[in-house]
Parts: sequence; structure tokens; C-alpha cells
Amino acid sequence: AQSVTQPDIHITVSEGASLELRCNYSYGATPYLFWYVQSPGQGLQLLLKYFSGDTLVQGIKGFEAEFKRSQSSFNLRKPSVHWSDAAEYFCAVGRFRGGSNYKLTFGKGTLLTVNP
Amino acid sequence: EAGVAQSPRYKIIEKRQSVAFWCNPISGHATLYWYQQILGQGPKLLIQFQNNGVVDDSQLPKDRFSAERLKGVDSTLKIQPAKLEDSAVYLCASSLPSSGANVLTFGAGSRLTVL
Repeated sequence: AQSVTQPDIHITVSEGASLELRCNYSYGATPYLFWYVQSPGQGLQLLLKYFSGDTLVQGIKGFEAEFKRSQSSFNLRKPSVHWSDAAEYFCAVGRFRGGSNYKLTFGKGTLLTVNP
Repeated sequence: EAGVAQSPRYKIIEKRQSVAFWCNPISGHATLYWYQQILGQGPKLLIQFQNNGVVDDSQLPKDRFSAERLKGVDSTLKIQPAKLEDSAVYLCASSLPSSGANVLTFGAGSRLTVL
């Protein structure tokens, strides 16, 4: 069965600083990988996804993530954090199960606090 | 396009009472998911529908939870009787089947508090 580990429960950065959120996955085949963001009281919004091809993926809001198969990682990065980036971030792995269906398994999330 | 609609946004009930949540997916999205998100945890899949058929309900506590998707559009998730541990946000998501993988779009969620 697939699983996702987000080692950092809570991260605090200063506005303008760089950010890296860690994600490690466990899955036997080539995974589908996702990062979602959740603001308070809101649903999950997709930041970016990796299905295949280039291992450096660009997303919305200036975020990017790099798939490293050898490390089973899919870390999220942003060069300069804005106060509006404060939210909870979830990494997810998708297990393909035929047709157009796959099952998403989420990590427990990393809460990002941005100091002015 | 309109997003995934869910109601109610908030519900407070006492244990052993029943509750129902409604979801209207994005038009044309054949696949619908219900996730449970307990505070401090990531969302957990409860049930997945493809049109009006169930694809996966392996993590649905069937003794108290039920879900249906009549006519392959709207869906209702019911809990009866509720337990304290059912306090969570219930997220509905939908996706558009394609020849390959597809992306889930989530609603804002329904927050349940069981007292």
C-alpha cells in the first residue's frame, strides 16, 4: 500500500525567505505525486502535480517541486515566501488502478507560518 | 466553471444523532469522492463513485456511514448514529475521467462537530 510522510508538522519562515517542504512517499511503481494547499476553512487547492517526464515541476503561485526517485521524495520549494502563503500543505501520492481511476493517499500535512 | 458545492458548511450534533452531507460535483465530472479529514491529519478516502457505481468503499465504516449517488450527479453522505470520533471535515471532490490520470477538485468541506 502507498504511504506519504511529511516529516515537518510546523514550519515558520520569514516573509521573503526561501521555503522547502519535505515529502517522502512509499509506492512500488511509478507514482503520481501532488501538492495541495489548504487555507483555513477552505478546501484543498492543487499547487502542482507530477505524472511523468521532467522531474522538476512548476506549479501555481511560484511553487515548484522536484521528483527524486532515488530518494522517494517530492519536496516543494518556493524561492521567496509571501505572507499569503501561510496555510497547510499536503503531499499526496496516487496509486493508479486502471481506467482513469487512481487512489490518493495524503500525508498529515505541514503547517506553514510566515512572519512579517 | 462552477466548483464543487457542499452543504451544510457546519453542523453540530450530539452523539447518536444522525447527519447528512450533500455534494454537487463539477458538471460533467463522472468521478466523485468523499474524504474525511480529522484535525491534524490528512484527508482519508471514505468512498469513490464512478458515475453512480461504487469504485472503492474499503475505508467506509459501513455500520454507521452510508453514501449514495443517485443518477450519477449529486451525492449524499450520511452518518447514523454519530460518534464523537466522527468529528471532522468531510470533503467532497470530483474529477473528469480521461485517458490518463486526472486531477481532483475539492469542495470547501462540511465541518462536523459531535458533542
